Amino acid sequence: AQSVAQPEDQVNVAEGNPLTVKCTYSVSGNPYLFWYVQYPNRGLQFLLKYITGDNLVKGSYGFEAEFNKSQTSFHLKKPSALVSDSALYFCAVRDPFKAAGNKLTFGGGTRVLVKP
Amino acid sequence: SAVISQKPSRDICQRGTSLTIQCQVDSQVTMMFWYRQQPGQSLTLIATANQGSEATYESGFVIDKFPISRPNLTFSTLTVSNMSPEDSSIYLCSVGDRGRHNEQFFGPGTRLTVL
Repeated sequence: AQSVAQPEDQVNVAEGNPLTVKCTYSVSGNPYLFWYVQYPNRGLQFLLKYITGDNLVKGSYGFEAEFNKSQTSFHLKKPSALVSDSALYFCAVRDPFKAAGNKLTFGGGTRVLVKP
Repeated sequence: SAVISQKPSRDICQRGTSLTIQCQVDSQVTMMFWYRQQPGQSLTLIATANQGSEATYESGFVIDKFPISRPNLTFSTLTVSNMSPEDSSIYLCSVGDRGRHNEQFFGPGTRLTVL
């Protein structure tokens, strides 16, 4: 069964500092990996995805993520955090070669608080 | 990306009643999904809404409690039946397209409170 772990419930960072949100995954085959962000009282917004190719993926709002197959990780990063980046971040995985390959499995979420 | 709307955006209901949530997409999509997000928690997939056939439910969710309709490629409904306070959650609709490596796009959610 596929699974995702986000080991940190909350990440605090000062505005202007680098931001990292950690994610590790478990699938039997090659994964498709996604990051979503949820602002208060709103639905999830898609940030970026890894399907194949370059391990460094660039997405919306200056975010990027690095796929590391040996460490089964897909950490989300932003070089310089903004107060407006404060939100709830979810990592998700799917195994496209499984019979239920359309199913997304989400991590528990990490709350990011960027302080001015 | 698809534009997804949900109705209602929020509701407060009495236990024992039922609520039907609507999800409308501005384009035809292959896959539609319904998720539940309990307070302070992650998203859990309830079911995949299949056009022209019965929904496919995940473990722990049953059709009698969460009946789903998918009459066409742009619309779906989820009913939360015989509600209890434990059903208080945000319910989210999402859509995906096989041709786009199935990244899913989410509606704004329906915040349900059951008293």
